[in-house]
Amino acid sequence: EVQLVESGGGLVKPGGSLRLSCAASGFPFSSYIMHWVRQAPGKGLEWVSSISTTSNYIYYADSLKGRFTISRDNAKNSVYLQMNSLRAEDTAVYYCAREWGIRSPIDYWGQGSLVTVSS
Amino acid sequence: DIQMTQSPSTLSASVGDRVTITCRASQSVGNWLAWYQQKPGKAPKLLIYRASSLESEVPSRFSGSGSGTEFTLTISSLQPDDFASYYCQQYNSNSRSFGQGTKLEIK
Repeated sequence: EVQLVESGGGLVKPGGSLRLSCAASGFPFSSYIMHWVRQAPGKGLEWVSSISTTSNYIYYADSLKGRFTISRDNAKNSVYLQMNSLRAEDTAVYYCAREWGIRSPIDYWGQGSLVTVSS
Repeated sequence: DIQMTQSPSTLSASVGDRVTITCRASQSVGNWLAWYQQKPGKAPKLLIYRASSLESEVPSRFSGSGSGTEFTLTISSLQPDDFASYYCQQYNSNSRSFGQGTKLEIK
């Protein structure tokens, strides 16, 4: 069974940092491109970042302005999102998701991890 | 970046109705367009990929069409389980983008 399990979310003060993790199982993790997508409360989906199978290609949404860093460890079947200089508008459920390859859709999502940025 | 615009934002319909949701891209995305369904508190679920291909185990009442900059998702006969939010997403560019969503409500 395919599983993507996010962890590391919680309450953080503005300006603080948080690292999200996503543990994958049930599929060949190292063969999949991985994404982070977020959803603010009551709002739509916003793509955040993606990382290629060997970490050679990494992309971010322009709106993040260098505050977030995606990484992966294929030996641990995990993908990470380091979030720095957090703002109230970063409050959202953060989903990790997988994609088979170039010109393939995201086909499976984790259940999400809530990040709340508040003083 | 490619902007995706969905319409309508909210759609009220009844069981058995045929409904159509439109998604427009600010520039051509070819047919690299997916549709997702999301229910409250749940992760999105892939319904349609490559604009018109039905994901495995998705009911055949869902269909997609279009190419370039204009796409549609049609549900031929609404079922109670279909009342949810729907999102389009382009995957033509490395910077992915979603439409703002359409909430399908019971009339």
